[in-house]
Amino acid sequence: SAVISQKPSRDICQRGTSLTIQCQVDSQVTMMFWYRQQPGQSLTLIATANQGSEATYESGFVIDKFPISRPNLTFSTLTVSNMSPEDSSIYLCSVGYGGTGELFFGEGSRLTVL
Amino acid sequence: AQSVTQLGSHVSVSEGALVLLRCNYSSSVPPYLFWYVQYPNQGLQLLLKYTTGATLVKGINGFEAEFKKSETSFHLTKPSAHMSDAAEYFCAVSLFTGTASKLTFGTGTRLQVTL
Repeated sequence: SAVISQKPSRDICQRGTSLTIQCQVDSQVTMMFWYRQQPGQSLTLIATANQGSEATYESGFVIDKFPISRPNLTFSTLTVSNMSPEDSSIYLCSVGYGGTGELFFGEGSRLTVL
Repeated sequence: AQSVTQLGSHVSVSEGALVLLRCNYSSSVPPYLFWYVQYPNQGLQLLLKYTTGATLVKGINGFEAEFKKSETSFHLTKPSAHMSDAAEYFCAVSLFTGTASKLTFGTGTRLQVTL
């Protein structure tokens, strides 16, 4: 398993601003993902964070809105840009090691946009 | 493409009663299946997983699930509910693309345990 730390754990932001969420893992991991969990909803995959290259985004998510960096095998950031109240969600970083798809999750970053 | 359907967004059981949370999947290839639990204000924790081999899988906290290919189901059970089991439970299916594994989650089932 992995210990995954996310910062901030929660934040309240103003409309139109941007927020960067950090994800730090205590070991090198092959795969890192960013998920969104809107209030009362399930998890939706935003993108796969690729080390050394551009992230791979899922349908409905674009780089201009959710830029992602992954400079090494233990760290990634997700930025939520030009926020609106609809971006109020929990953003979760997750990591995987192999081909079975088992993922480990951080505790999430709870974002409220006013 | 793969998908997961969880029947029942809310399930309420009495303490000590059987817990049954339903999950059906759709997958074009043999699936890897998971159950995760999310306690209030926390991230997701893996309860159990099915990859290959024995179809009855035991997980943490007394939970188990049985993979039934003929029924495309992976229902989660626990013989006796405890108050601490109250949480949101997510079924998920994995698709390995060759470069990464992606999890597709069901909509979740909120388990309430009453006295």
